[in-house]
Amino acid sequence: GAGVSQSPSNKVTEKGKDVELRCDPISGHTALYWYRQSLGQGLEFLIYFQGNSAPDKSGLPSDRFSAERTGGSVSTLTIQRTQQEDSAVYLCASSLARDYTQYFGPGTRLTVL
Amino acid sequence: AQRVTQPEKLLSVFKGAPVELKCNYSYSGSPELFWYVQYSRQRLQLLLRHISRESIKGFTADLNKGETSFHLKKPFAQEEDSAMYYCALLKAAGNKLTFGGGTRVLVKP
Repeated sequence: GAGVSQSPSNKVTEKGKDVELRCDPISGHTALYWYRQSLGQGLEFLIYFQGNSAPDKSGLPSDRFSAERTGGSVSTLTIQRTQQEDSAVYLCASSLARDYTQYFGPGTRLTVL
Repeated sequence: AQRVTQPEKLLSVFKGAPVELKCNYSYSGSPELFWYVQYSRQRLQLLLRHISRESIKGFTADLNKGETSFHLKKPFAQEEDSAMYYCALLKAAGNKLTFGGGTRVLVKP
């Protein structure tokens, strides 16, 4: 079946602009995660959604980062007023439930000039 | 807070030689441990998780709670094993994965 998809695959933006990254999880997966993969910090957790519960935002690095998940499916990660240190690959993952295997998308490579 | 350490950034071995990727963790509870692999130009994918006790593509990993380690081993490396490998921890009743820094494996012919 279809895996996790993300769009765009690449995004180049100018410092100070806002960006939106999209994630389509595997159908039927109730848990959705965002991670960031950067040279300096490795793979780090950003945010977690589980069904209709309040999201776990403990990994968001600043209030410029926000995410939502509409209808328990598609998720959008928004970065406002982008900075050069936001440049990274943003990965989305989904799983059947909280402690099931997480399946990753191909990532969005964000470059902030 | 939990932490995962992969001390080797790069492992270079010859085809047919054994390979062992080290992973150590710090966590006071009972974690679940995973190995994820990322082949060139492919997405991150699960290789194995300790509760499954499986051998995938010839790889095995044993959770040693005394040494807080979850090293990944393969007796005979193949060129197609060249990839980036990440050890990850999921704490009990947790949601997020905590990843190590990754080990790049290069299998030379």
